[in-house]
Amino acid sequence: QSVLTQPPSVSGAPGQRVTISCTGSSSNIGAGYDVNWYQQLPGTAPKLLIYDYNNRPSGVPDRFSGSKSGTSASLAITGLRAEDEADYYCQSYDSSLSESGVFGGGTKLTVL
Amino acid sequence: QITLKESGPTLVKATQTLTLTCTFSGFSLNTSAVGVGWIRQPPGKALEWLAIIYWDDDKRYSPSLKTRLTITKDTSKNQVVLTMTNMDPVDTGTYYCAHTWMTYFDYWGQGTLVTVSS
Repeated sequence: QSVLTQPPSVSGAPGQRVTISCTGSSSNIGAGYDVNWYQQLPGTAPKLLIYDYNNRPSGVPDRFSGSKSGTSASLAITGLRAEDEADYYCQSYDSSLSESGVFGGGTKLTVL
Repeated sequence: QITLKESGPTLVKATQTLTLTCTFSGFSLNTSAVGVGWIRQPPGKALEWLAIIYWDDDKRYSPSLKTRLTITKDTSKNQVVLTMTNMDPVDTGTYYCAHTWMTYFDYWGQGTLVTVSS
């Protein structure tokens, strides 16, 4: 059971907008630790998608965006495409865990 | 161009110690704010943060695994080594090393699958 809670699955039709939530607490997201998001395509290593809440690495389309509110963060994907079907993970740090890192439980995105 | 590659045994027996090496290129672990971390993923399950070592030799461990993990670096060889003692079948999974800048993992190795037999 991760300290960062994500929905196990979300789905959407091509072209639609979906959001994936990452719910934490006052010792991680609420404490101001950065939230990062990763995309993992089947059989591959994770790829950094969003860092420091809402920054995109070079090469990541602006269809992907991140946000934060209180003790939660969200990843939004607009203009959904078939190739977006993957597992998505949020990641942060936690002061109650000696400032070690934590990942969310992951969310499987299905493009209908 | 930053690259990382994990190496080590693909099969270990329960109670044995696992030693994994991450060999990297394209950056130096002497650079401020740079680190290398280890993350694992059991088959069909979520990512799990294991440990990280920074340029200044600061080390952080997952509290749940801290007593079993040791992370070290050899900057002359561009390598980071993770050891995990007392392996158990539940430790089976893919182990990744990754470059970190501040708080995020921006470059990942391909991963290495480790199977623990009972």
